[in-house]
Amino acid sequence: ILNVEQSPQSLHVQEGDSTNFTCSFPSSNFYALHWYRWETAKSPEALFVMTLNGDEKKKGRISATLNTKEGYSYLYIKGSQPEDSATYLCAFWNGGSGTYKYIFGTGTRLKVLA
Amino acid sequence: DAGVIQSPRHEVTEMGQEVTLRCKPISGHDYLFWYRQTMMRGLELLIYFNNNVPIDDSGMPEDRFSAKMPNASFSTLKIQPSEPRDSAVYFCASSRTSGDSQQRDEQFFGPGTRLTVL
Repeated sequence: ILNVEQSPQSLHVQEGDSTNFTCSFPSSNFYALHWYRWETAKSPEALFVMTLNGDEKKKGRISATLNTKEGYSYLYIKGSQPEDSATYLCAFWNGGSGTYKYIFGTGTRLKVLA
Repeated sequence: DAGVIQSPRHEVTEMGQEVTLRCKPISGHDYLFWYRQTMMRGLELLIYFNNNVPIDDSGMPEDRFSAKMPNASFSTLKIQPSEPRDSAVYFCASSRTSGDSQQRDEQFFGPGTRLTVL
């Protein structure tokens, strides 16, 4: 059974703090990993597409790294702001079963306190 | 582009009725996904299509659910008969394959349809 795990499930940080989350996935038959930001009452929005081991992507204060050999990706937020409050999801394309599977993690809920 | 369009945005129906949810993907996208969001399970992939062909429907809960994609610009998710436990937000998303490596780009989500089955 393919499983994508995210940790922590939720966290509260103070405005200005930096934080990071983890996405763990099966390392075999890796195809691509996506990070999404999902605000309450809205739809998920893509942050990053990551495909190569060692990939590092950055968008403003948010960055992500990828390790396909050990099966994890980190998302970093530098100097958190209240508007960063959202659920951060990772999703993983796996190509090992003959049919490509796309699996979401359960997300990390971030609350940034002003 | 208007993005992924879903209709209706809200649907309230009675148990036993047929429900049809509609989705128009972004033009040029060759993948279309149907998801269900619930408190218990989060975001679940129900089915996805590539070039209008269903590829993975292992997430479809049971025979009461069916999905079609008759052309590249339209898909439906049908529930017949509906039950109260089908109440959820249903999202449609689309994406494209780009580059020589056939990398699958990120998905663009529609606004969702909030379904309530009484």
